[in-house]
Formats: sequence, structure tokens, C-alpha cells
Amino acid sequence: SQTIHQWPATLVQPVGSPLSLECTVEGTSNPNLYWYRQAAGRGLQLLFYSVGIGQISSEVPQNLSASRPQDRQFILSSKKLLLSDSGFYLCAWSVGQEAKQYFGPGTRLTVT
Amino acid sequence: SQQGEEDPQALSIQEGENATMNCSYKTSINNLQWYRQNSGRGLVHLILIRSNEREKHSGRLRVTLDTSKKSSSLLITASRAADTASYFCATDGAGANNLFFGTGTRLTVIP
Repeated sequence: SQTIHQWPATLVQPVGSPLSLECTVEGTSNPNLYWYRQAAGRGLQLLFYSVGIGQISSEVPQNLSASRPQDRQFILSSKKLLLSDSGFYLCAWSVGQEAKQYFGPGTRLTVT
Repeated sequence: SQQGEEDPQALSIQEGENATMNCSYKTSINNLQWYRQNSGRGLVHLILIRSNEREKHSGRLRVTLDTSKKSSSLLITASRAADTASYFCATDGAGANNLFFGTGTRLTVIP
């Protein structure tokens, strides 16, 4: 069966520090991968999606970047965090043209 | 923005009652989905309804879709305390590779 992992689960980082969040998927090949951010009490904002290794599309201009070094690995990064980067970061995957997405447990990021 | 909007933002009911949440969206779609999110957790897919369908059932869930009004509703019958969560609708936008999520309805079911 397919599973999706995210780590760390929680993270507290000072302003200006770097960031690296990792997402890995098991049990499927060539998934579409997504990074979302959810502000407190709000809906999800799509940040990046990837349909294959090295293929990244960005939905909003921002302080973050994403990379997909392996088929089932998706990394969210920042060189210098801002206070506004605080939030709940969710990774998700889907397969082919299937519309349904499967979400990881999320990472709670607090920038202080 | 293609993002949908749920209504109401928050809903509080007694266990055993039915809960109805509504979603409106702005552009044409291929399908619409509903997801559930327990506090501080990831989202879980509940049900998908295609643009050529008007109603769909899954257990205690009933979803309707009115593409002429660009709206959908999610009905949870005989609610349980364990249904307490936030519920989000998500649309694909015809031809788009991504999902656009609404702002969610926070449902509280009181035992």
C-alpha cells in the first residue's frame, strides 16, 4: 500500500535561518507531488507541484523553493525564513490524471 | 482566484443531527472533491463528484453538485462526535493539474 511521510512534524526556526522540509512517498511510481501551506484557520494554498524528477512548477511568488531529486522525494527549502513563512505545510501526491490527492501528516513550522 | 468558499465557516450540532455544508466556486470544473481534516493533521479524501453527476452517496455522506450555480453541498447524516473536523471542498478547474481548496467549514458535533 502507498504511504506518505513528512518530517519533521514540528519545527521552530528563527527568522533568517534556512529551511528544509522533506516528503517521501512509498508504494507508487512517478507520482505527482504537491506542497501546500495552510495558515491558521485557513484553507490550503498550493505552493509547488511536480509531475516528474526535476520538474517543478511554482504557483505563487515567495521566499520558498522546491526540488525533486528522486522520483518519490519532494523537498521544500528556504535560504532565509521570514515570519510570514510560519504555517502548516502539507505534502500530497496523486497518480496520473486521477484527481484524488493523498496527504501527508504535515509539518508545523513556527518562525520566531 | 479559482478557490472555492465554504459556508458556513463554523457549524455546531448535537450528535445524531444532520450537518450540511455548502461550497461555491468560480470556474468550470471536471470534478469536485470533499476532504476532511482533523485538527493539526493532514487531509483525508472523502468523496469525488464529477461534473456530469448531480448526486453521490458514500455511507453517511451525500454530496450534490449544481454546475449551473457553481455550488456543491455535503450532507453528513446521523452525525457522531468523531465527525468533528474541518471539511474542505476542492475543485480542479477544467484542464488544470491542481486542486483549488476552499476555506473550510469547522464542524463540531456535541456528544
